[in-house]
Order: sequence, then C-alpha cells, then structure tokens
Amino acid sequence: EAQVTQNPRYLITVTGKKLTVTCSQNMNHEYMSWYRQDPGLGLRQIYYSMNVEVTDKGDVPEGYKVSRKEKRNFPLILESPSPNQTSLYFCASSLFAGDNEQFFGPGTRLTVL
Amino acid sequence: QKEVEQNSGPLSVPEGAIASLNCTYSDRGSQSFFWYRQYSGKSPELIMFIYSNGDKEDGRFTAQLNKASQYVSLLIRDSQPSDSATYLCAVNANDYKLSFGAGTTVTVRA
Repeated sequence: EAQVTQNPRYLITVTGKKLTVTCSQNMNHEYMSWYRQDPGLGLRQIYYSMNVEVTDKGDVPEGYKVSRKEKRNFPLILESPSPNQTSLYFCASSLFAGDNEQFFGPGTRLTVL
Repeated sequence: QKEVEQNSGPLSVPEGAIASLNCTYSDRGSQSFFWYRQYSGKSPELIMFIYSNGDKEDGRFTAQLNKASQYVSLLIRDSQPSDSATYLCAVNANDYKLSFGAGTTVTVRA
C-alpha cells in the first residue's frame, strides 16, 4: 500500500530533551516536506527536501533540523524542544516539487512540557 | 497580510444545500490552487486542484478561480453529512512551497 508513515503518533516530552520524529514514504517520491498545524494558523511549512541531500527552510524552521540521506526517509529533529513546539506535525511527499498532489502522513501530536 | 486567507467558520448548512467556501491569496504570481479536506483527527487529503480561470467540476464539487481578483472558491452541492470536515485552501506560488489557509470547518446538518 502506497503511504507515508510517521512515528511516533503521539509524544509527550519535557523541555530540552532531544527527539526525532521519523517519516518514511514508499512511493519513490522526490519531494518531502514537514508541516506543523496549530489552531487558527493552518498548516505551516517547516522544512522541505527536493531530493536526497537537498533540504531547505520553509516558513517556520527555527528550532528544527532535518536530514535526507535516503530518498524514502525525512526525519524531523528537535534538538532542544520548547513548549511553543507543542503542535500537530505532518510529513508529506509528492512525486516531484510542484506536483499536483501531496500525500500526507497520519500526523504526530507532540506535547512539550 | 497572510498569504492565504479563508472565510472564517464554522459554516453550518442543511443536508442537500450548497456549501460555499472562499479563499483569497496575496501572491499574484501563484499558479496552482488546491482544496484539501481534513476530517477531525485525520490528515489532509486532496479533493480538487485548479490552474486556469473559470470553473472546474468534479462530482458534487466545483472549484472556481479568478486570478485577477486573487480569489478561489469551492462549492459543495447536495451537501451530505459525510462532507462535514475542515476544508483547507492551498496555493502554490512556486515549485517549492505550498501555502495553506487556516481552514474553514463545515458542518452538514441532517
């Protein structure tokens, strides 16, 4: 089944404790992206990747890191999480940048205490 | 000014009625326009995209685009309870970034 998977789906952590949210797609997509969704603000792009080893900042990159060492994986890293990073996170992928449709993962709900 | 703005909700319509959702965008160079549907607790899924001025119909959904007015809308005809969801307008100004509106929540009353 073609899909985007994220892990974990739910995470409660404390300020300053490094964490990684994994994202993987099995559709051989070149383009991958991370968004956060907050009430009243919609989806905001954190980072995106055009292909392996090619990443760039989105609208709200502060406090986040990403890597794209393999085509299928695009992990999101929070080196020192803070409470303002409490949010719902979505990973998405598309065949190429500018493709009609982005496929979204199921989401990761993160709470930073 | 936000890049993509949607009419504030929630929008409540009776079953069988037309739900009308509006979206404006700020980047006049935007080329591609999308409507995503997001059920509560789920991820967004694409329901329509439109590139050219005018109307595009797909089943009970019609997307309308007016680039001169920087306006895109979505009509849902014969609304069903299963249409109750949040609808996200998204605009692609370049190949790298998709900008989303905050969403409009639609409730269809049986």
